[in-house]
Amino acid sequence: GQNIDQPTEMTATEGAIVQINCTYQTSGFNGLFWYQQHAGEAPTFLSYNVLDGLEEKGRFSSFLSRSKGYSYLLLKELQMKDSASYLCAVPTAAGNKLTFGGGTRVLVKP
Amino acid sequence: EPEVTQTPSHQVTQMGQEVILRCVPISNHLYFYWYRQILGQKVEFLVSFYNNEISEKSEIFDDQFSVERPDGSNFTLKIRSTKLEDSAMYFCASSEDLGNQPQHFGDGTRLSIL
Repeated sequence: GQNIDQPTEMTATEGAIVQINCTYQTSGFNGLFWYQQHAGEAPTFLSYNVLDGLEEKGRFSSFLSRSKGYSYLLLKELQMKDSASYLCAVPTAAGNKLTFGGGTRVLVKP
Repeated sequence: EPEVTQTPSHQVTQMGQEVILRCVPISNHLYFYWYRQILGQKVEFLVSFYNNEISEKSEIFDDQFSVERPDGSNFTLKIRSTKLEDSAMYFCASSEDLGNQPQHFGDGTRLSIL
C-alpha cells in the first residue's frame, strides 16, 4: 500500500520562503509529484522527482531523499497568488494511479 | 497549451438518477483517469483506462460506476444510480505515458446529489 503525510496548513509572509514537507511509504518507488491546487480548481503539475537531490524550477524547488522516504517543496519569494494547497503524490510501481496526500494549505499574508 | 476539458462544470441530480460526466483528454495522450475529491478531503483515485480497457480501479469504483471512450476524443464516467455520498468534485486526467509523465487534470465537474 501507499501512505503519504504532509502538514495540514502553513502560514507565511509575502516575499518569504516556505518549505512543505512530505513523507511517504510506498511499495515500489516510481517517483514523487508535487501539484498546486487553488480552492475549487484542478490540481496543476509543479514538479517530479525520481532521483535524490534538489530540482529547481524558478521560484519553486523540490527535494527528494529516497532512503528517508522524504520530499519537500520549497517556495521562494512568496506571492499572494501562491496561497493554495500543495499536494504530494506518488504513483504506483505500475504508474497508472496516483495516491495523493491530504495537501498542505499555504496562506500567504501581506 | 493543450488542456483537458470537462463538461458540465456543475451537475445537480436527484438521488437514484444516472449521471454522465464527460471529458476530452489531451489529444496525444494515451492514458486516462478519473479522480474524485469530496469537499475538504484528499483527491482519491477512481479508475485508469488505457487501450480501451480499465487498467486499474479503486474500491470506490464499484458496479455503479463505468467508464467509456465512445469515440476518438471523449472519455466518460457514468454513475448509474447516484447516492448522496457521490457528491464530490470529479476530475478527469490524462497522461502521455505512465510513471514519470505527469497527469494533467481538467477543471472538474462538481456533482451535487439531492
